[in-house]
Amino acid sequence: AQKVTQAQTEISVVEKEDVTLDCVYETRDTTYYLFWYKQPPSGELVFLIRRNSFDEQNEISGRYSWNFQKSTSSFNFTITASQVVDSAVYFCALTANQAGTALIFGKGTTLSVSS
Amino acid sequence: KAGVTQTPRYLIKTRGQQVTLSCSPISGHRSVSWYQQTPGQGLQFLFEYFSETQRNKGNFPGRFSGRQFSNSRSEMNVSTLELGDSALYLCASSLSGGSNQPQHFGDGTRLSIL
Repeated sequence: AQKVTQAQTEISVVEKEDVTLDCVYETRDTTYYLFWYKQPPSGELVFLIRRNSFDEQNEISGRYSWNFQKSTSSFNFTITASQVVDSAVYFCALTANQAGTALIFGKGTTLSVSS
Repeated sequence: KAGVTQTPRYLIKTRGQQVTLSCSPISGHRSVSWYQQTPGQGLQFLFEYFSETQRNKGNFPGRFSGRQFSNSRSEMNVSTLELGDSALYLCASSLSGGSNQPQHFGDGTRLSIL
């Protein structure tokens, strides 16, 4: 079975702090894809990044960075120098052959950044 | 480039009624998926359509159904509404629906059952 766990339900930080959102996944497939989405209060899920199971390179995009480690089945997301606009719910998700195209989502982490 | 468009944004229904939600995918996208989001269960996959055919289905009762038209637009129908169907229903589209493709979501339809 496929499963995504985001243990942190809510995180509160002050602007300019760095924050890491944890994601642990379970799958028996050898080929799978991991995603992060952001959901602002408007409700739309915004795609942030995709990583495939064969590519363990970390990625940096501006203030965002992602650390994928197959050894610990984790795909963590770090925001550097957080801003108020980063306040949102962040979801980690997985697709794998057994589930077809369905995204398996974690429960989400609510990030609140105060000024 | 226009994003995924869902209509209506808000809907209020009573138990026992039925409802139809609409989704227009990003131009050129042929795969449309539907998800239900509730505070208790989180985001759950309902079904996926590609080339007017249901290709994948989640674990939901038969009251939940959908269809896709030749222009890739999709509709989702829920019959005999129950209080527990109150949720945000999100539609997502991708080019051809491969598991490696990012799905792009609309703003959702918030359905409230009285």
